[in-house]
Amino acid sequence: QVQLVQSGAEVKKPGASVKVSCKASGYTFTTYGITWVRQAPGQGLEWMGWISDYNGNTRYAQNFQGRVTMTTDTSTSTAYMELRSLRSDDTAMYYCARSRGNFPFWNYWGQGTLVTVSS
Amino acid sequence: EIVMTQSPATLSVSPGERATLSCRASQSVSSNLAWYQQKPGQAPRLLMYDASTRATGIPARFSGSGSGTEFTLTIGSLQSEDFAVYYCQQYNNWPPYTFGQGTKLDIK
Repeated sequence: QVQLVQSGAEVKKPGASVKVSCKASGYTFTTYGITWVRQAPGQGLEWMGWISDYNGNTRYAQNFQGRVTMTTDTSTSTAYMELRSLRSDDTAMYYCARSRGNFPFWNYWGQGTLVTVSS
Repeated sequence: EIVMTQSPATLSVSPGERATLSCRASQSVSSNLAWYQQKPGQAPRLLMYDASTRATGIPARFSGSGSGTEFTLTIGSLQSEDFAVYYCQQYNNWPPYTFGQGTKLDIK
């Protein structure tokens, strides 16, 4: 079955960077894109961007342009999301997600990675 | 960017009754709308896409309707496991895909 397993919780200082991983299994990795969504504590969902695991093409939300980089490693079926210049308002649960096909809505989700930004 | 607005913010309904949740888009998204359910400590779960198509494994008591800018998620005969937060998401225009702020469905 399709599984997305994310890396563990992180605590970072303001100005630092964080890199979250999302290891996929149960399907051919280079078939569907991976989307990243975040959720601040007690808040709603925010789409961050998408990466094609076929050719590495990316699309980012304007809010994160210049601070986020999404990559994949096809040899390990792992997607990565790096966020730089962290601020306190980047404290959130970060999710990777995938659709059943190449659709812009998501059936499969990772368990989430809590990133806490605090001095 | 398309802004999605959900109402009400909180809806209190008794088990066995029907719940109606609304989602409005700031401009037409055609039928390119999904609904998700999220329970505390869990990732979102896809319920509906294309405004009215249930995702795999979603019970028939969940139904969606609407197009353009006005959408509704109806949950008939609420079960205890249905009390959660519900989000709508448009995928007509990107980037970015955008979500509503959520409706919390709680037990009356």
